Amino acid sequence: IAGITQAPTSQILAAGRRMTLRCTQDMRHNAMYWYRQDLGLGLRLIHYSNTAGTTGKGEVPDGYSVSRANTDDFPLTLASAVPSQTSVYFCASSMEINQPQHFGDGTRLSIL
Amino acid sequence: AQSVSQHNHHVILSEAASLELGCNYSYGGTVNLFWYVQYPGQHLQLLLKYFSGDPLVKGIKGFEAEFIKSKFSFNLRKPSVQWSDTAEYFCAVNPAGSQGNLIFGKGTKLSVKP
Repeated sequence: IAGITQAPTSQILAAGRRMTLRCTQDMRHNAMYWYRQDLGLGLRLIHYSNTAGTTGKGEVPDGYSVSRANTDDFPLTLASAVPSQTSVYFCASSMEINQPQHFGDGTRLSIL
Repeated sequence: AQSVSQHNHHVILSEAASLELGCNYSYGGTVNLFWYVQYPGQHLQLLLKYFSGDPLVKGIKGFEAEFIKSKFSFNLRKPSVQWSDTAEYFCAVNPAGSQGNLIFGKGTKLSVKP
């Protein structure tokens, strides 16, 4: 079934550790996004990519990095995790910018 | 700064009651508007969208929303809710020229009592 796959589904991580959240889509969408969802704050954009080879910063980019080496994959890396990065992370994609976004099932990340 | 306001944090209704969830945004230019729904434990799904044309848009599962440009609003409505509509609802705005970025409201949790 076409869609977005995120891995892992959940993770508990010690502060200071490096972590990469994976996101793969098979819909050949050009644009991809990473959001974090926190209680009472809704979804906030971390980074985005309008097409393979390009990335941009969202509302809350600090402490996160992304890469977009190809159309399908858009990994999110926490170089040195901190407790404030405890959240649920959603990857999304859209055919083009400004089109409706499709969301993955999320990764629940806890930083201790 | 651009923002999206959802007026109600938590709405509790009985089945068959009518629903209206408010959404206002602060951007003055051209916008694309969306409502997403997140059922418990699931990812966000698109309910409906407005890009242009008829300001009354119909989405899935009997939901509709009306874009009122003068009020910067995009309220979500359903004439008769069901228990299965229990979920969190997010309004989102994509201002023109924003590189496709969605600005989300903080969400409204809807609880429908059977």
